[in-house]
Amino acid sequence: AQKITQTQPGMFVQEKEAVTLDCTYDTSDPSYGLFWYKQPSSGEMIFLIYQGSYDQQNATEGRYSLNFQKARKSANLVISASQLGDSAMYFCAMRESDFGNEKLTFGTGTRLTIIP
Amino acid sequence: GAGVSQSPSNKVTEKGKDVELRCDPISGHTALYWYRQSLGQGLEFLIYFQGNSAPDKSGLPSDRFSAERTGGSVSTLTIQRTQQEDSAVYLCASSPSDLGQYLHYEAFFGQGTRLTVV
Repeated sequence: AQKITQTQPGMFVQEKEAVTLDCTYDTSDPSYGLFWYKQPSSGEMIFLIYQGSYDQQNATEGRYSLNFQKARKSANLVISASQLGDSAMYFCAMRESDFGNEKLTFGTGTRLTIIP
Repeated sequence: GAGVSQSPSNKVTEKGKDVELRCDPISGHTALYWYRQSLGQGLEFLIYFQGNSAPDKSGLPSDRFSAERTGGSVSTLTIQRTQQEDSAVYLCASSPSDLGQYLHYEAFFGQGTRLTVV
């Protein structure tokens, strides 16, 4: 089974609108961390936001917020007031705490295109 | 430099040749990861080093692939007898740990090595 599932291969969103990128995960470990990264066409990997499994509140970083629904095992990224520079690939990732499972596992990504 | 450094940035090699890709992680980072990214695709996990523990090699696609990390710092990914399907960008990342706590630390990525097998 896939550890991280991103079901939207591509999305087109009008500039200034909010956008939600979906991510579901699979783990039996009670302690884990969830990450979102952005990869523009330049290829660099840019860390956006982190959510810990025991965090009581949803993480926020500027225009980025994480809609964490633990019971549903989902960690969707919300980008408010989208900008042209938000066009990129977005990857969801998880790190578990179980010995032997500490590696960072990535989903297949969502290509976001912002339309002017 | 302060970031993760990978060399070379580009490598073109002939099918059947061996290649070595190098990664210099951020100083003090105990964890080091290698990923492979084919054009327009996601990140495929290859191998993970954490401190002095045995590496997690579960993602290596074949025995032509191997990696080592010397002195807990620099890592080399070696691909023997390269094949055209090995063409991809190879990304290295590192992250810290603090007294064994590592869960919440982001991974810092290098710019990658673009490998082309002709």
